[in-house]
Amino acid sequence: ETGVTQSPTHLIKTRGQQVTLRCSSQSGHNTVSWYQQALGQGPQFIFQYYREEENGRGNFPPRFSGLQFPNYSSELNVNALELDDSALYLCASSSGQGVTNEKLFFGSGTQLSVL
Amino acid sequence: AQKITQTQPGMFVQEKEAVTLDCTYDTSDPSYGLFWYKQPSSGEMIFLIYQGSYDQQNATEGRYSLNFQKARKSANLVISASQLGDSAMYFCAMRELGWNTGNQFYFGTGTSLTVIP
Repeated sequence: ETGVTQSPTHLIKTRGQQVTLRCSSQSGHNTVSWYQQALGQGPQFIFQYYREEENGRGNFPPRFSGLQFPNYSSELNVNALELDDSALYLCASSSGQGVTNEKLFFGSGTQLSVL
Repeated sequence: AQKITQTQPGMFVQEKEAVTLDCTYDTSDPSYGLFWYKQPSSGEMIFLIYQGSYDQQNATEGRYSLNFQKARKSANLVISASQLGDSAMYFCAMRELGWNTGNQFYFGTGTSLTVIP
């Protein structure tokens, strides 16, 4: 069983640039969620994709956008990067059953630094 | 209001001793799930234990148990027989299942646990 993989592991960008982060979900999972974890904080929900459609969004501006592909892998795009976007970006996949005990399986994250 | 509150930024425990990490939550949804995750320095969040809002008994998973007090809205994690490898950040999280909840998990700010040899 292949786990959740994210790329790249680290990224350095400058303010105003655009970035794309990638995630491959665990085999058998059709749902991918993205979280932002600032230093010293818990993860904050950005959005979720279920079968290639956005299926929930947190309190993030539209410059945070995403895609999910037919193989259920996903991308997170951030435009017009700001210094406060510096964080660990975590991707999580789940089975998409919508039950309370449906747990998230996380990747190791992409550490984004905006200078 | 915060959905998940973890009031212990850091905790220390002697190896082989038990430790309790506190978590309180806030929801008006009758159907919800509570989760604990471990985050080592590598960054990956590792699932530890789950408790459903309708579960009558406290959840247990090996050395992990969850002290669920529904009336107090608390879901404390108990780690028994601590090991050096337990040193990590621990996050409490909640998922609501009500209408229009957005499918998100709410995480607390975490507790850093250090196991002392």
